[in-house]
Amino acid sequence: EAGVAQSPRYKIIEKRQSVAFWCNPISGHATLYWYQQILGQGPKLLIQFQNNGVVDDSQLPKDRFSAERLKGVDSTLKIQPAKLEDSAVYLCASSLVMAASYEQYFGPGTRLTVT
Amino acid sequence: LAKTTQPISMDSYEGQEVNITCSHNNIATNDYITWYQQFPSQGPRFIIQGYKTKVTNEVASLFIPADRKSSTLSLPRVSLSDTAVYYCLVGDARENAGNMLTFGGGTRLMVKP
Repeated sequence: EAGVAQSPRYKIIEKRQSVAFWCNPISGHATLYWYQQILGQGPKLLIQFQNNGVVDDSQLPKDRFSAERLKGVDSTLKIQPAKLEDSAVYLCASSLVMAASYEQYFGPGTRLTVT
Repeated sequence: LAKTTQPISMDSYEGQEVNITCSHNNIATNDYITWYQQFPSQGPRFIIQGYKTKVTNEVASLFIPADRKSSTLSLPRVSLSDTAVYYCLVGDARENAGNMLTFGGGTRLMVKP
C-alpha cells in the first residue's frame, strides 16, 4: 500500500513570496490533516478535512494560509505572503475514519525555509 | 481536548527497558490514548493505542490504570534505533467526533551504547 505522498520535499523562498505544498493521501482515506512542525516542537494541526469539507481550521492563519482538497482526494496548502516565522516542516497526514481510534499516516513532510 | 504532560527527555542504554509515563488528568470517557514515534526528518509514526488496562504489540506495551489519568509506554530492550521523540496523545474515539489530536512537545529518548 502506498503511503502519503508530499511534494516538494524542500523549498527555500524569500519572505513575502508565495509557496504551495501538495499532498496525496492514502487511497480511500476520508480524513486529511495538515500540520506545521517548527524545529524542536511537536506538530501543530493547521487544518483538517473530511472528504472535501473543512472540519477544523481554527489554527490556520487565514490572512496568509489557505488550503483546499478538491474532489476529496489531493490537497494543497498555500502560503501567501510568507513570513520568516513560517519556516517549518509541513506535514500531511490521512486517516481512514475521522476518529482518534484510527491511526493517522504521515507523509515525509516539506521543509520550508523562508529567508 | 485532554491535555497531556510527559517528560521532556530521557536517556537509556541499549538492552534496557524504557518506560515513558504520560499524564492526562482530564481524559474523557470516549477518549483513546495513542502514542506516536518520530525520527528526525520523518513524519510521526503510530506505535500503539489503548483505552484501558494493557495493550501489547510487536513494538511496545501500553499500561493504563483504572482511572485512566495516566499511561505508560514500555519499550522492551531498546536499541540505538529507538532514539526518537515519543508523543502521547488523547482524542475522541467516536467516528466523526472531529478527531483533532493535539501533539505536545513529546519525550526525546536518547539510547546510548
